[in-house]
Amino acid sequence: SSELTQDPAVSVALGQTVRITCQGDSLRSYYANWYQQKPGQAPLLVIYLENNRPSGIPDRFSGSSSGNTASLTITGAQAEDEADYYCSSRDSSDDHLVVFGGGTKLTVL
Amino acid sequence: EVQLVESGGGLVKPGGSLRLSCAASGFTFSNYGMNWVRQAPGKGLEWVSYISSRSSYIYYSDAVKGRFTITRDNAKNSLYLQIHSLRAEDTAVYYCARDETYCRNMNCSDAFDVWGHGTMVTVSS
Repeated sequence: SSELTQDPAVSVALGQTVRITCQGDSLRSYYANWYQQKPGQAPLLVIYLENNRPSGIPDRFSGSSSGNTASLTITGAQAEDEADYYCSSRDSSDDHLVVFGGGTKLTVL
Repeated sequence: EVQLVESGGGLVKPGGSLRLSCAASGFTFSNYGMNWVRQAPGKGLEWVSYISSRSSYIYYSDAVKGRFTITRDNAKNSLYLQIHSLRAEDTAVYYCARDETYCRNMNCSDAFDVWGHGTMVTVSS
């Protein structure tokens, strides 16, 4: 099965911009989705189909992709954005399956 | 309100079985594919299984194939996961999640747009 690789931890100063990346061969063929998970809570979809925000997600969240790397950018990070972030896509070895990245813990300083 | 509520988790001995349930409300359950995703304590998300809206298509991760069975009852707005031959590594919070497939340029993505709160499964002797 495919793998998606994320940096385990990233930090950002309050109000600054941060980019969280996700690398994997499947991203050359399939669009990424991004989820936010706060401690003790279920994941929340923040970006789908690479760069689309569900209703209710602030516009400081955006997504992009290039080659085998998908990125989630938070422009003007807020304290409430501190969370774990996971990317996902279809599995390039079997597109009926879904694969998640290992997650990135975002700390807002 | 769109909602998914899981139940059925608990403490089970290795080799045991368990049936998880997920009750859907606030949307037309029969129109959506559904997934199970699990998360071991302190670990990341792991996709487990998918079932299409009318149960025509069913898929499993390699880690659970042959031991887990996903089913649904659209008349009861419910999703199920039957788990057999439980192992310590199956210990996790199990989430059900609604599947929304989006496509662009002949390329598609499965976004999980609604999640339940999860149910904990602990496998230990």
